[in-house]
Amino acid sequence: NAGVTQTPKFQVLKTGQSMTLQCAQDMNHEYMSWYRQDPGMGLRLIHYSVGAGITDQGEVPNGYNVSRSTTEDFPLRLLSAAPSQTSVYFCASSSTLGRAQNTEAFFGQGTRLTVV
Amino acid sequence: AQSVTQLGSHVSVSEGALVLLRCNYSSSVPPYLFWYVQYPNQGLQLLLKYTTGATLVKGINGFEAEFKKSETSFHLTKPSAHMSDAAEYFCAVSPTGANSKLTFGKGITLSVRP
Repeated sequence: NAGVTQTPKFQVLKTGQSMTLQCAQDMNHEYMSWYRQDPGMGLRLIHYSVGAGITDQGEVPNGYNVSRSTTEDFPLRLLSAAPSQTSVYFCASSSTLGRAQNTEAFFGQGTRLTVV
Repeated sequence: AQSVTQLGSHVSVSEGALVLLRCNYSSSVPPYLFWYVQYPNQGLQLLLKYTTGATLVKGINGFEAEFKKSETSFHLTKPSAHMSDAAEYFCAVSPTGANSKLTFGKGITLSVRP
């Protein structure tokens, strides 16, 4: 059971370049989300999805796009990278079935992105 | 609206000493509360969670936390620190559980001295 898989693990971009951070989960979870982690700021929610075809904005969505065409995949797109997007990005997934008390969010290993 | 406050950014303890990491929250509804641990260059791992019921929650690696509604707190403790506990710890809150938006605190780095 692979859990939540993020690729790539490391990436360096030039300002203005575009790229897609990949996130895949094999647990058939409905809920998926993207966070960015910056020193001294904890994790902040970028976008989330409650199922295929449904996405919504989190706390810091500007500069990022998402789509959810399948249950398994939730890619995060940077259309024109900026130095302010230098961060560590985490994808998470959890199930929306059953009792909320029994749910747990599973996190990927992260993608460390540097924009120069 | 919900928020989490973790005072201080760094805690240092001696091996074998008590670990106490503080977390205070604000939430307009009864909260779900979580503690996550992040080891260097790793993702986040759930330590424990409070949903309903017993206010003293036991987690993995000997950690526990107590939900105190009157103090809006969910402090994390461990009676005896081990070198392997050195990591960053995050408190998080959610209005409806882990399958919804989590709001994280800024995190606390725990160092353990030999």
